[in-house]
Amino acid sequence: EVQLLESGGGVVHPGGSMRLSCAASGFTFRSHAMNWVRQAPGKGLEWVSSIVASGGRTFDADSVKGRFVISRDNSQNTLDLEMNTLRADDTAVYYCVKGRYGDPKSEFDSWGLGTLVIVSS
Amino acid sequence: DIQMTQSPSSLSASVGDRVTITCQASHPISNFLNWYQQKPGKVPKLLIYGASNLETGVPSRFSGHGSGTDFTLTISSLQPEDFATYFCQQYDRLPLTFGGGTKVEIK
Repeated sequence: EVQLLESGGGVVHPGGSMRLSCAASGFTFRSHAMNWVRQAPGKGLEWVSSIVASGGRTFDADSVKGRFVISRDNSQNTLDLEMNTLRADDTAVYYCVKGRYGDPKSEFDSWGLGTLVIVSS
Repeated sequence: DIQMTQSPSSLSASVGDRVTITCQASHPISNFLNWYQQKPGKVPKLLIYGASNLETGVPSRFSGHGSGTDFTLTISSLQPEDFATYFCQQYDRLPLTFGGGTKVEIK
C-alpha cells in the first residue's frame, strides 16, 4: 500500500523559511515523479512543484519560483520542499503527491494527508 | 499557461440523478485530462485519467469524455457517497493546472 507521510508544517512569520518532508513507502520511489500540490483554506488545488524520478530535473509554479526548492533522496525514499521568503498567500495545506510515471506530466495517483503551513505575524 | 474552466461551480442534485460536470481548457490538450474527487476534510482522489480511463476501484457510474478543449465528467446515478467537490486537471504541459472545482451538494 502506498503511503506518503508529510511533516514539517506549522506557523511561520512572513519572510521566514520552512522545510517540508515527505516519507514514502509501498512503491518503488525512484521510478516515479513526485509533486507538491497545495490548497489554501476553502480554496481549490494549486500545483506547486514537481521533480522527475531521477531527481535530475525540477519544475516550479511561477508563484513559488525562486523561493521554493523541491528535492528528493531516492536512497531514503524522501521528498522535500524548502520554502523561503514565505508570504501570507503561501498559507495552505501542502500535499505530497505521487505521479504515475517518471515524468511529472502524468496523473497524480496517490496523495498524502497533507501538512498545514500558516504564514502569519 | 493553460487555464481550466469548470462549470458549474456548484450544483444541487438528488440521489439517483444523472450529473454532468464540464471542464474547458484554454488551449487544446488532447486527452491529457484528469478528474479528482475531494470529500470534505479528505484528500483528493483520482477518478479518471487520460480523459476517459477509470482509475482502479472507482465505480463504473463515473465516466469521462472529451478531447481537445472540452471535457465532461458524468455520474450516471448519484449516490450518497458522491457528494463532494470535483476538480479537473490538465497534464499536457507545465505548469500543471486545475479547474476551480465543482461542489456537488444534496438537494
